[in-house]
Amino acid sequence: ETGVTQSPTHLIKTRGQQVTLRCSSQSGHNTVSWYQQALGQGPQFIFQYYREEENGRGNFPPRFSGLQFPNYSSELNVNALELDDSALYLCASSHPQANNYEQYFGPGTRLTVT
Amino acid sequence: GQSLEQPSEVTAVEGAIVQINCTYQTSGFYGLSWYQQHDGGAPTFLSYNALDGLEETGRFSSFLSRSDSYGYLLLQELQMKDSASYFCAVRDRAGSYQLTFGKGTKLSVIP
Repeated sequence: ETGVTQSPTHLIKTRGQQVTLRCSSQSGHNTVSWYQQALGQGPQFIFQYYREEENGRGNFPPRFSGLQFPNYSSELNVNALELDDSALYLCASSHPQANNYEQYFGPGTRLTVT
Repeated sequence: GQSLEQPSEVTAVEGAIVQINCTYQTSGFYGLSWYQQHDGGAPTFLSYNALDGLEETGRFSSFLSRSDSYGYLLLQELQMKDSASYFCAVRDRAGSYQLTFGKGTKLSVIP
């Protein structure tokens, strides 16, 4: 069983640009969530996808958007990048029948906006 | 609003026991989770409590009191590799995996 993978590992973008981050879920997991983690802080929930539909969103503006594909992999898109978007972006997948609601996190993408 | 409070830093001696407390104030409550994160690493799941009481998994135990909006993570027989950040997180929406995390507690284990 392969773990959650994310690409790229690191990324440097300029303010105003757009970025796409990718996540491959753990096998058999049909729910994926995205989190933003600023340095020294806990992860903050961005949104969640279940069977290709967004079914939960945190306090993030519409320029943060996502997709989930039929194979349950996912993308996070951020438009009009701002300096404050610099953070570690984590995706997490979950097994549909896990009664402990365990989430499996990927290693993250470190985004730097200059 | 949503808030979770946990100590920012804790230091303990190898072989000792340490308890990391978490108090929460959230609009909904469906369970309390704990995650461990080493520097530069991904958060990894440690435990989940939906009901009051103690859950034990090896050297780690987690406790929940819903009436007090309080929980704790207990780490026994501390090892150097336990040095990491520990996050409590509330599942605050029914039928969802959405988590609200605390700011984390940085645990340093010293010889």
